[in-house]
Formats: sequence, C-alpha cells, structure tokens
Amino acid sequence: DTGVSQDPRHKITKRGQNVTFRCDPISEHNRLYWYRQTLGQGPEFLTYFQNEAQLEKSRLLSDRFSAERPKGSFSTLEIQRTEQGDSAMYLCASSFTGKAYEQYFGPGTRLTVT
Amino acid sequence: TQLLEQSPQFLSIQEGENLTVYCNSSSVFSSLQWYRQEPGEGPVLLVTVVTGGEVKKLKRLTFQFGDARKDSSLHITAAQPGDTGLYLCAGARSGGFKTIFGAGTRLFVKA
Repeated sequence: DTGVSQDPRHKITKRGQNVTFRCDPISEHNRLYWYRQTLGQGPEFLTYFQNEAQLEKSRLLSDRFSAERPKGSFSTLEIQRTEQGDSAMYLCASSFTGKAYEQYFGPGTRLTVT
Repeated sequence: TQLLEQSPQFLSIQEGENLTVYCNSSSVFSSLQWYRQEPGEGPVLLVTVVTGGEVKKLKRLTFQFGDARKDSSLHITAAQPGDTGLYLCAGARSGGFKTIFGAGTRLFVKA
C-alpha cells in the first residue's frame, strides 16, 4: 500500500459549478477525515467517518458540501454551486481506531474557483 | 480563535543553526502530534506525544510535551536545508474525534 491517495490533484472550476473529489485511504484504516486548508493556515476539520458512518461534521460544512464513504472504503467530497471562497486545498487523512490521533494524509486536491 | 497557537509564525535561519518552535494552548490535550508539510503536499506525521513531560527524539529533532499537556516544543539541532517546511502541531482532546491544528511555523533553512 502506497498511502492515502486523492484525485484529482488540481481542479479549476467556474463559480456555480459542482465538483467532486475522491479519497482512497490506507486499506487497513477504518477512520477517514476530510480537512480544508487555506493559505497560511493549518488544516481545518470538515468531517469524519468510522467505516461507512459519518460521525461528526464541522459547522464549516455548509449544506452545499456533502461527503460519503460507501462500504467504508473510498470517500467522496462534493461541493455544489461552488463559490470563490471555496478555493482551498482539500485534504483527506486516515487512521486506525486504536491510534485515531495518528493521521496519515493524502497529497490533497487544490481547488480554484474562478 | 486558534486553540493551538504556534510561534514563531516564520523563521529563516542559516544551515547549522539550532532552533525551537512552540505550540501553546490553554486547553489540555490527550495527545499532541507534530507534522511537517511541504508546498503542494499533505502533512507528514513526525511524532506523537501522549504523556505530560514526555520527550521524544527523531534524529536531530527533539519533541517535548508540557507537564500539564497544554503545550509542546520542537527543537532542531544543526538545521539543514532539507528541514525547510511548514511545521504543524495538532492536538486531540479527550473524548473527541476532532483533531485541531495550529496555523504552523514556516521554517526556511538557507544553505
């Protein structure tokens, strides 16, 4: 296993369009996290899955954002009706339940909304 | 409000110098992690500290967790250009799933 992968690495979209990002976690990890990172800031928590169950969502995750993790494997993060303020790096991380605090991050998807 | 305050925000030093960066909070954390992030990439986990007063060493990097588990420091000895990057501390509070990140210290080591 080569680690957490994310696709695409870069996405440029026009305001108002929908976008979807994919994350493939480390195969043995049952926890999966989504974060957003803007320039000069650390990652901000968006949401978290244990297996297929979405257990926590940040207030940052407006109703335009939705995340899924069907079958507890890969996850998708969709942003509907994108806004310029959605421009950021979207990071996915995964971890074991037993060491949930040790998160392994993917390379991120850089979203630019024009 | 940033629950984890990192200082300094930016540090530029010459190769061979020593440095210390800090991560402070008024809250108690059950564990604290340090990550390094390079431009355009995701953070890479360096270390986890869980016990108050704990010291961990990773080659030239020394990590310490405060006795009260509210703060941590990272000391780099004889910095090298390869140490350049954004150093992030992150904490998990007892009973919570959410990990909170600081804003990071951006380190630049000049050859």
